[in-house]
Amino acid sequence: EPEVTQTPSHQVTQMGQEVILRCVPISNHLYFYWYRQILGQKVEFLVSFYNNEISEKSEIFDDQFSVERPDGSNFTLKIRSTKLEDSAMYFCASSGGGAGTGELFFGEGSRLTVL
Amino acid sequence: GENVEQHPSTLSVQEGDSAVIKCTYSDSASNYFPWYKQELGKRPQLIIDIRSNVGEKKDQRIAVTLNKTAKHFSLHITETQPEDSAVYFCAASTGGFKTIFGAGTRLFVKA
Repeated sequence: EPEVTQTPSHQVTQMGQEVILRCVPISNHLYFYWYRQILGQKVEFLVSFYNNEISEKSEIFDDQFSVERPDGSNFTLKIRSTKLEDSAMYFCASSGGGAGTGELFFGEGSRLTVL
Repeated sequence: GENVEQHPSTLSVQEGDSAVIKCTYSDSASNYFPWYKQELGKRPQLIIDIRSNVGEKKDQRIAVTLNKTAKHFSLHITETQPEDSAVYFCAASTGGFKTIFGAGTRLFVKA
């Protein structure tokens, strides 16, 4: 069964450093997302991406964040200058059905720890 | 923007009993309501969903009901088993590009 894959599974970084989290969505999906989950809390929407551009973003997704689809398979989330409060599990997701009306397939997540 | 409230935050039941989790949403334009199960340290996975043109949907021991007038929807798990223990998230979408999740319900099923 196809699945979303994410790397790295865990990254530890110093405050102020740049981090890139990588995702390979399911190959025939068209809609890509990043969500964040602080330990023990809710799954929070960050950004959605369709047709090579950001479709929607939350207030969390400020100028420190960016997303890119550099090739036909990868989807990346970059945090330019990490803060302590960026420590969380970051989930990439993709969907094949119409935007917002189909199942989100999540990756296993990338745990980011900012020291 | 859309807000989804979920109750209770924690639910403990005896094996074989039923469990009910309730959610309310704020945006009347919401038309898609999925439920995700997240086991400890794992990714969220869809267990059931319902669309706004349907009032109830059932899949074996799991059912979801939707009341559009009251803007609330519920998850019902019957004959609970220890493997049902997990965190359950309700969510809502207006059909746009984002799905908003509730805060989650930690379900414990005691054997």
